[in-house]
Amino acid sequence: DGGITQSPKYLFRKEGQNVTLSCEQNLNHDAMYWYRQDPGQGLRLIYYSQIVNDFQKGDIAEGYSVSREKKESFPLTVTSAQKNPTAFYLCASRGLAGGWDNEQFFGPGTRLTVL
Amino acid sequence: SQQGEEDPQALSIQEGENATMNCSYKTSINNLQWYRQNSGRGLVHLILIRSNEREKHSGRLRVTLDTSKKSSSLLITASRAADTASYFCATGAGSYQLTFGKGTKLSVIP
Repeated sequence: DGGITQSPKYLFRKEGQNVTLSCEQNLNHDAMYWYRQDPGQGLRLIYYSQIVNDFQKGDIAEGYSVSREKKESFPLTVTSAQKNPTAFYLCASRGLAGGWDNEQFFGPGTRLTVL
Repeated sequence: SQQGEEDPQALSIQEGENATMNCSYKTSINNLQWYRQNSGRGLVHLILIRSNEREKHSGRLRVTLDTSKKSSSLLITASRAADTASYFCATGAGSYQLTFGKGTKLSVIP
């Protein structure tokens, strides 16, 4: 079964804690993305990676960090520096072959709540 | 920054009616994509239209693109209760990133 998985589905964080959200894909996609979605809002790009060991900041990278040690995995750490982390986090991937016209495939999301 | 802006923000229709959602954007694009999101879930790709295309169909979906007006519309014909979801447009502009709008929340009443 090909796809993209995220875990956990729900995550609770105390203030001052770092937490890591997992994203794994077995689609053999080169590019992976992390988005944040707030209620009634669209998706905002946090970080993206087009190749192993390389990643770039998106529009709202402050307070977040990522790594891309393996093609299949792109974990996101929400650090204590992120002052308002309660949101729905979505991971996506896409292939790069064929140019610009590829769709992104999304995971089911992780809902993070700060207690 | 969010390039796409969907209109209306919310739409409520009866089952069997057609639903039309619009998307406007600001800069030149290579393609425009529409995605669907059921409540609390990830997004699912519906259809992609390239900048040199004007209309595209997929099942009950019809997408139009007017690059001179920087706008697109998504038409869902003969809507069903199962079409209830949020619909997002996303623009691709010469990179591997997409820029998403804020979405239209569609409710189809049985």
